[in-house]
Formats: sequence, C-alpha cells, structure tokens
Amino acid sequence: GQNIDQPTEMTATEGAIVQINCTYQTSGFNGLFWYQQHAGEAPTFLSYNVLDGLEEKGRFSSFLSRSKGYSYLLLKELQMKDSASYLCAPARGTYKYIFGTGTRLKVLA
Amino acid sequence: NAGVTQTPKFRVLKTGQSMTLLCAQDMNHEYMYWYRQDPGMGLRLIHYSVGEGTTAKGEVPDGYNVSRLKKQNFLLGLESAAPSQTSVYFCASTGQTGVNQPQHFGDGTRLSIL
Repeated sequence: GQNIDQPTEMTATEGAIVQINCTYQTSGFNGLFWYQQHAGEAPTFLSYNVLDGLEEKGRFSSFLSRSKGYSYLLLKELQMKDSASYLCAPARGTYKYIFGTGTRLKVLA
Repeated sequence: NAGVTQTPKFRVLKTGQSMTLLCAQDMNHEYMYWYRQDPGMGLRLIHYSVGEGTTAKGEVPDGYNVSRLKKQNFLLGLESAAPSQTSVYFCASTGQTGVNQPQHFGDGTRLSIL
C-alpha cells in the first residue's frame, strides 16, 4: 500500500544469497524498517535504517538510499527457517509506519 | 515477559454482531496501534494512540472504534460486524523516544464474520 513496491514472491536455494528490493515515495519518510513474518505468526523486527548505507546484522543486511526511495534486504547463507514474508516499512514522522504488501520468500533444499 | 497480548485469538461472528478485541502491553509503551492484514493487502492501520486517553484514525477506520482508557490497554470495537471485516487483526506498540522505534506485535486475532 501507499506506493511501496516489493516483489510478491521469490524463491532461492538453501545456502544461497537473496536480495529483496523495496521502493517507495520519498516524501515524508525518515527511516525504513524490515520485518519478518512467518506464516500464521506476527511480524518481528529485523532491521532499521535511518541513514543512507548498509546496516549489517549477522546473516541479514539492509541498505537504504533516501534520495532514491530505495532499500534492500540481503539474506546470506539461506536456511530453511528463512522461508517467510519480508515486510518493508518506511517510517513517517516519529511513530507512523506504512507497510508494503511483503515479499514471500521460499527457500528450497 | 509477556510483551503484547491480544485476546481473543480466534472468533467467529455473525453479521451485525458486535465485539471488542483487547490488546495489553507490559512494556510501558506510549504508542499503540491496531492493524488488519488481508491477503495481498499487507498491514493496514485502523486506529492508533499516542498516549493514554488519545486516539486517532489510521488508513481504514470505518466500522471500528477504539479506546485507550489505560496506558497499557488499547481496545478495538466492531459495532456491527460485516463480512468485509473478516481479517487477521494485529495490535502493536512502540516506546516514545526521539528516534523511530520498532513495533512490537501481538500474536493476532483471527476474526471471521459470517
């Protein structure tokens, strides 16, 4: 919703690297979150970027370019448990978040 | 450490019935939110609250009312349930700081309106 674009579905192999892209309208947003959501469960926080550049957290990294309205989530050394939906959520103001429709990632053995 | 707790977890209603969903958080968070999640639509904000006694409309508020009488609780009411309100409802909360904080979500309430 709200002009946030993510691929609907992606498939990758266990042990591989996958990049999930997110583009959004730049006006009014001052940071971007990524959440992971397993089927039938609640979203859980993965990463937050407020400045341009790459944030690394273990196997997961997230990149942000505010001027281009572009972010990506990079997952390395994929595991079967990484099969989930990944939600891009630009933050507007100090407490309002807009969620994309999510990218459903399938990890194959 | 409970975090955000939603009750009930499942409910089936008939069209026209009313009900209240309860969200409770034990993290002393200022901000609380109600979302609905439908296939292909992502999370959509229904109402939110920036503190005890305050509420505001989100993206899809029609057909819902909310109350935040106590800081730890945020109630979502359906006055006259409609089949279009069949969805999974998530409550979330964040703390109040000068920097965006991640949202903590409850486990969701799966609501079916027949």
